Amino acid sequence: NAGVMQNPRHLVRRRGQEARLRCSPMKGHSHVYWYRQLPEEGLKFMVYLQKENIIDESGMPKERFSAEFPKEGPSILRIQQVVRGDSAAYFCASSPPSGFGSGYTFGSGTRLTVV
Amino acid sequence: QQQVKQSPQSLIVQKGGISIINCAYENTAFDYFPWYQQFPGKGPALLIAIRPDVSEKKEGRFTISFNKSAKQFSLHIMDSQPGDSATYFCAASPGGGNKLTFGTGTQLKVEL
Repeated sequence: NAGVMQNPRHLVRRRGQEARLRCSPMKGHSHVYWYRQLPEEGLKFMVYLQKENIIDESGMPKERFSAEFPKEGPSILRIQQVVRGDSAAYFCASSPPSGFGSGYTFGSGTRLTVV
Repeated sequence: QQQVKQSPQSLIVQKGGISIINCAYENTAFDYFPWYQQFPGKGPALLIAIRPDVSEKKEGRFTISFNKSAKQFSLHIMDSQPGDSATYFCAASPGGGNKLTFGTGTQLKVEL
């Protein structure tokens, strides 16, 4: 059981470029969540997805950010035209349909640096 | 109303001592309260969690105390060890919800 896999672990982008962060949930988990952690802060919820559906995107910035979880393949968090303020650690978590009670597991994160 | 306030920001405890971290919330719809442990370069890992129908939950050296009327909950680490040095986050989620609201974290250092 490989756990929640995120890649890349570290990503450096210049201002104005696009960042694509990938998350493969644990085997048997059909729900994916993305969180952002700014330095010295707690994690902030961004979006909750099930296969081919966005369930809750209340934490997503209105512009430049999008997320998907296709029928096949990993979930993708996409940040267009990155700015320095996007520099953060982005964590993905996954859970089975029952949610918290059966395990809500985080990956090791992608550390995005915008230069 | 969605905030979870956590204190202290940092904590130094001697080996064998008790580490205590406190959290407070406002949203009465919260009904799931987990604590996460995070080591540098890693994702948060679930340590222990509680629901408001009990006032205390213990797992090994870790205990959550929950005060529903005061809307506060705390993590106690008994017999703290250097390996417990990490950042600890409290969190909360409303009933039926799947998203967590995190506190700002406590950096714990356990000294020999």
